[in-house]
Amino acid sequence: QSALTQPASVSGSPGQSITISCTGTSSDVGSYNLVSWYQQNPGKAPKLMIYEVSKRPSGVSNRFSGSKSGNTASLTISGLQAEDEADYYCCSYAGSTTNWVFGGGTKLTVL
Amino acid sequence: EVQLVESGGGLVQPGGSLRLSCSASGFTFSSYAMHWVRQAPGKGLEYVSAIRSNGGSTYYADSVKGRFTISRDNSKNTLYLQMSSLRAEDTAVYYCVKGDRSHFDYWGQGTLVTVSS
Repeated sequence: QSALTQPASVSGSPGQSITISCTGTSSDVGSYNLVSWYQQNPGKAPKLMIYEVSKRPSGVSNRFSGSKSGNTASLTISGLQAEDEADYYCCSYAGSTTNWVFGGGTKLTVL
Repeated sequence: EVQLVESGGGLVQPGGSLRLSCSASGFTFSSYAMHWVRQAPGKGLEYVSAIRSNGGSTYYADSVKGRFTISRDNSKNTLYLQMSSLRAEDTAVYYCVKGDRSHFDYWGQGTLVTVSS
């Protein structure tokens, strides 16, 4: 049950775009279009931002988008805003034996 | 409005037991799988356990298998996590999470479990 691999940190200036990668294996990210992304602010519960690789829940800004290529999924945030500063976690289904696996998390800093 | 409210966390000695509860409202509880996800202090999210809508199937991460038991009472809209043989590495905030087939759409505020002597 190894965690998906995310960069520990990324940063960007207001208005810029950033991308957070999430690398798994052919047993999880590569096999299922069941990748989701969660935003977590300090002391708060995670919030769903993207599901099924690229779908946005109602109420989530269209500045957030997701994609996948092979064993790597990505979250892109365009037009960075100060309020986007948070930790971001990816998650993928990994089959009935492992069920779900999370990435290690990425701290986004808005400069 | 969907609400998930955890309770039952606290300080427990190594080897001890604790039962977490999660009271759900705002949706048809009996129609959805439910999950527990934990987060150790300063660390990332770890998937712990799941139970299907009718309670007929359960899943446990290797790290808790044989020590934790997930259950639910659909008549009370409540999810449980019975934790035994607790270890220091079980110290974490435990989140109750509603599943929606392909993702986790609602999270509780979490309850802190501290395992220490």
